[in-house]
Amino acid sequence: DAGVIQSPRHEVTEMGQEVTLRCKPISGHNSLFWYRQTMMRGLELLIYFNNNVPIDDSGMPEDRFSAKMPNASFSTLKIQPSEPRDSAVYFCASSLRGLSEAFFGQGTRLTVV
Amino acid sequence: AQSVTQPDIHITVSEGASLELRCNYSYGATPYLFWYVQSPGQGLQLLLKYFSGDTLVQGIKGFEAEFKRSQSSFNLRKPSVHWSDAAEYFCAVGGAESGGGADGLTFGKGTHLIIQP
Repeated sequence: DAGVIQSPRHEVTEMGQEVTLRCKPISGHNSLFWYRQTMMRGLELLIYFNNNVPIDDSGMPEDRFSAKMPNASFSTLKIQPSEPRDSAVYFCASSLRGLSEAFFGQGTRLTVV
Repeated sequence: AQSVTQPDIHITVSEGASLELRCNYSYGATPYLFWYVQSPGQGLQLLLKYFSGDTLVQGIKGFEAEFKRSQSSFNLRKPSVHWSDAAEYFCAVGGAESGGGADGLTFGKGTHLIIQP
């Protein structure tokens, strides 16, 4: 298996633009997580899905952030409009039913200028 | 609310010396505990995990960790470190969501391991 696949690996965008991050979880995994990593705040859980349904989005910083999982093999995290303080590395992770062992993608490094 | 504390932000160890990274957790139910390692510019790789059973768990790359419920701790150890062990180490706690899925892991802030030659 190729593991969790995220795209793009790097994204540089101007403030105010829409940004879409993409994630393909490991086949057969039924839980998907979006994390954000910054120097100041470390790794923060933004949202997670079980069986494509959002379970907990309390970590989403504000309404500018939204996440979808239209099917078991694809998820997106969208920021609209983006701001410089959104600059971070965003990780997607997936795990198997009933367990919390999460497998992480390589991350998307987002820079908003 | 669940939480993880890694009290050491940086640790410097000589190559060949032993290593212990500390982790304390707070979790309302039986915890699932993890250690991950992150090399620069990379994602997180699972080193080891504890779900139940033997409280001393073995992981990859010669690492082990011991779960001590009475101390709410899950410290990571290695008897002899190698220069390639230099990285960021994260302790995490999570559990099984009642619906059969997984709830999200809560991570500590990480410990940056520096290896001296």
